[in-house]
Amino acid sequence: LAKTTQPISMDSYEGQEVNITCSHNNIATNDYITWYQQFPSQGPRFIIQGYKTKVTNEVASLFIPADRKSSTLSLPRVSLSDTAVYYCLVGVTTGTASKLTFGTGTRLQVML
Amino acid sequence: NAGVMQNPRHLVRRRGQEARLRCSPMKGHSHVYWYRQLPEEGLKFMVYLQKENIIDESGMPKERFSAEFPKEGPSILRIQQVVRGDSAAYFCASSGTAGNTEAFFGQGTRLTVV
Repeated sequence: LAKTTQPISMDSYEGQEVNITCSHNNIATNDYITWYQQFPSQGPRFIIQGYKTKVTNEVASLFIPADRKSSTLSLPRVSLSDTAVYYCLVGVTTGTASKLTFGTGTRLQVML
Repeated sequence: NAGVMQNPRHLVRRRGQEARLRCSPMKGHSHVYWYRQLPEEGLKFMVYLQKENIIDESGMPKERFSAEFPKEGPSILRIQQVVRGDSAAYFCASSGTAGNTEAFFGQGTRLTVV
């Protein structure tokens, strides 16, 4: 089971770039790395997913080193509305069974 | 294409009653996951189902909790004889592919046991 470790919380100011790193030392060969965002009283929302190197979409970038034992979610120019909990998720596959396992998440607080 | 639909959004039950939480996955999705989230805590996996099959229920309490995903209709998470400790937000997610961690979550059902 690939366990993930993230910082519990981070603070930032509007307009700054925020990088949240997740450790997943036991990631399996077939596992993808996915990040979710969760606002209070809402379900988690998919942000980005990657397998290796770098992935970028309109919301964020995901950097994955060659050994895949960690990943970094990068949020460019954050705003107050980016205040949320961010979860790093590593897919676990056992035959045809899959279980999505969330870590503790990183609570990002964006300030003026 | 509607997203994952959960109902009710809020549910209040007295101790000892039964709670039934419903989840309709996204159209075309056959994989459903249930999670529980206590206030100020992360999501805890409960059960993973495919149509008519329970694939992984390692996160389900051994007693009082059950889940199903019938051939027709929504997935149901059933909690019998609820206790105050069952008060939490219960989220359902669905995906179209096993092993695909891009799952889509519903808005959750907030269960309050009084």
